[in-house]
Amino acid sequence: QSGLTQPPSASGTPGQRASISCSGSSSNIGSNYVYWYQQFPGTAPKLLIYRNNQRPSGVPDRFSGSKSGTSASLAISGLRSEDEADYYCAVWDDSLSSVVFGGGSKLTVL
Amino acid sequence: QLQLQESGPGLVKPSETLSLTCTVSGGSISGSSYHWGWIRQSPGKDLEWIGAIYYSGTTYYNPSLKSRVTISVDTSKNQFSLKVNSVTAADTAVYYCTRSDYHSGPFDPWGQGTLVSVSS
Repeated sequence: QSGLTQPPSASGTPGQRASISCSGSSSNIGSNYVYWYQQFPGTAPKLLIYRNNQRPSGVPDRFSGSKSGTSASLAISGLRSEDEADYYCAVWDDSLSSVVFGGGSKLTVL
Repeated sequence: QLQLQESGPGLVKPSETLSLTCTVSGGSISGSSYHWGWIRQSPGKDLEWIGAIYYSGTTYYNPSLKSRVTISVDTSKNQFSLKVNSVTAADTAVYYCTRSDYHSGPFDPWGQGTLVSVSS
């Protein structure tokens, strides 16, 4: 079972904006940085967002992260077919003394 | 460019020990202020943090796995390893090795992953 709650799916049409939420608690999102990972079928996850809203070099600025209280969100603007992937949020949980991951959200570009 | 590659048996019998090695290329484990860790992904695609080791040898483990897991580093070979004791079918997963600034992340890069099945 995941320590963070994500919707199992999200979708949008090309060019539109899609958003994926990640709900946690005061012991994780409420007090630590949130990270987002992108995973294509058959490949390893890749870091997409770090420290809530920072993009690693090479990640398009169409991807953005935000955090408010005990929730975080990943937004993808100007959707493209190549954005179809699974997206996972992750954060350190002070109560569990462990990294916890969301269950993942499958993004479909219609 | 830093690359990580997992290696080890793809099939382990129940109650035995799962052993994996991660070979690091394009950079050195020793003397670098990074954590080297393991994450696994179940067939249902749930990701689970297993633990990490600092180059100095300090380890951090997921409390739910701590009693069965050991992570070690061999700087002479530029490798780090994972051992999971007393495995069951629930340990069947794709195992990834990673590097991170802190034991809590961010995890970047990841190895390509290796599938380990637990079955008799």
